[in-house]
Amino acid sequence: LAKTTQPISMDSYEGQEVNITCSHNNIATNDYITWYQQFPSQGPRFIIQGYKTKVTNEVASLFIPADRKSSTLSLPRVSLSDTAVYYCLVSGMDSSYKLIFGSGTRLLVRP
Amino acid sequence: ETGVTQTPRHLVMGMTNKKSLKCEQHLGHNAMYWYKQSAKKPLELMFVYSLEERVENNSVPSRFSPECPNSSHLFLHLHTLQPEDSALYLCASSQEPFRQEGSGTQHFGDGTRLSIL
Repeated sequence: LAKTTQPISMDSYEGQEVNITCSHNNIATNDYITWYQQFPSQGPRFIIQGYKTKVTNEVASLFIPADRKSSTLSLPRVSLSDTAVYYCLVSGMDSSYKLIFGSGTRLLVRP
Repeated sequence: ETGVTQTPRHLVMGMTNKKSLKCEQHLGHNAMYWYKQSAKKPLELMFVYSLEERVENNSVPSRFSPECPNSSHLFLHLHTLQPEDSALYLCASSQEPFRQEGSGTQHFGDGTRLSIL
C-alpha cells in the first residue's frame, strides 16, 4: 500500500488560493488518489479523485505530475468554512478496502 | 445529508453495558465499513463488509462484534468496553468493486461519539 505524507498544518487567509501537497512515492500503477475533507464531529467528505494530470470540479482542482509520486489539492479563494482537516489517500482496485487515512493536513483559514 | 445515517449520535455507557451502534445507507451501495477515530489520531479501519460478507477485520478486539444483515444496514455490537474505546465511530459505504475511474469513493456518516465511563 502506498504511504502518503502531508504537512501537519497550514494557515491561510480568506480569499487566498491554498495548495496542499501530498507525497506518495510508492504509488502503484492501478492506484487512484482521493482527497477528503473532515470537520470536527463529522465524517470525512469526498472532495476530488484523480489518476493523472489535472482534475477539476466545482470545489477544487487536483494536480498530478507525470510520475504520480505526489499530488496537489488546490482550493481556490478559501473562506472561513474551509477550515478543516484534509486527507490524501491512495488506493487501488485490488486494495480498495484497505484505505489508510494518515494524520491529514489541518487547514486554518483566518479572516 | 450524506446518504449514510448513524444512530445514536452520542452514547455514554459503563464498561459492563451492552449496546449497539446502527448504520443505514440509502445509496444503493454494496460495501460498508466501520472506522474508529480517537482524539488526534488517524481514522482506523475496523471492519469491511462486501455483499454482506465480512472481508476485512483489522485485528479488532472481540468486544466489538459487527453484523451486516443486508447491504443497507450495518451494526456494531459493543460489550465489556474499556475506557480507551472512547472515540468517534464512523460508518461508510461504497460501491464495489472499483473497476473504473471515479468509483470506489466512500461515503461517511457523521458518526457516533462513544464515551466509556
